[in-house]
Amino acid sequence: DAKTTQPPSMDCAEGRAANLPCNHSTISGNEYVYWYRQIHSQGPQYIIHGLKNNETNEMASLIITEDRKSSTLILPHATLRDTAVYYCIVLSGNTPLVFGKGTRLSVIA
Amino acid sequence: GAVVSQHPSRVICKSGTSVKIECRSLDFQATTMFWYRQFPKQSLMLMATSNEGSKATYEQGVEKDKFLINHASLTLSTLTVTSAHPEDSSFYICSAYRGLAEETQYFGPGTRLLVL
Repeated sequence: DAKTTQPPSMDCAEGRAANLPCNHSTISGNEYVYWYRQIHSQGPQYIIHGLKNNETNEMASLIITEDRKSSTLILPHATLRDTAVYYCIVLSGNTPLVFGKGTRLSVIA
Repeated sequence: GAVVSQHPSRVICKSGTSVKIECRSLDFQATTMFWYRQFPKQSLMLMATSNEGSKATYEQGVEKDKFLINHASLTLSTLTVTSAHPEDSSFYICSAYRGLAEETQYFGPGTRLLVL
């Protein structure tokens, strides 16, 4: 079973920031928070991951709360091509990714 | 980022035939590869874990004699769906793990299988 909880769907206006929340209250000390997204009929795409510090890359920012029980993925300027299902996953090492239902983000023009 | 390919991207076959799907890590060596299956409007479900040179580990409910996995090299894993039936029609996706600490897994583009 997935160890994370995400809202089933969200809408975001094009050009605005998309903030996708994730609860992972049972995360253990050696588990990382990973975010992937899946655009329709494609394989999942890695976005970003972190342990306890906030992270930023060319795609997104990841904000992890101090107690590590939740996190937020931020797409700073959402475009129509960011419409996808976003998955928040916690894991350590080379264990397989367990996908929950994710959040379906719809970016609206 | 690392690139994983799958071949074929889509395949249509007759019921009772076997279909082989290839998963390749193009620019890195993958110590572990995972095979997932995704039915319409559902999330990805793990089928099996494949380590190079050893037998695959299958998830509960996945028939190992029906879904044959071979991980003969550090860059190639194959999934063979034997005696395919219409209920095996699905989107099959592999991922590859390089084996470094904190290293992420990279996914292939998926193979859509339709069994008639």
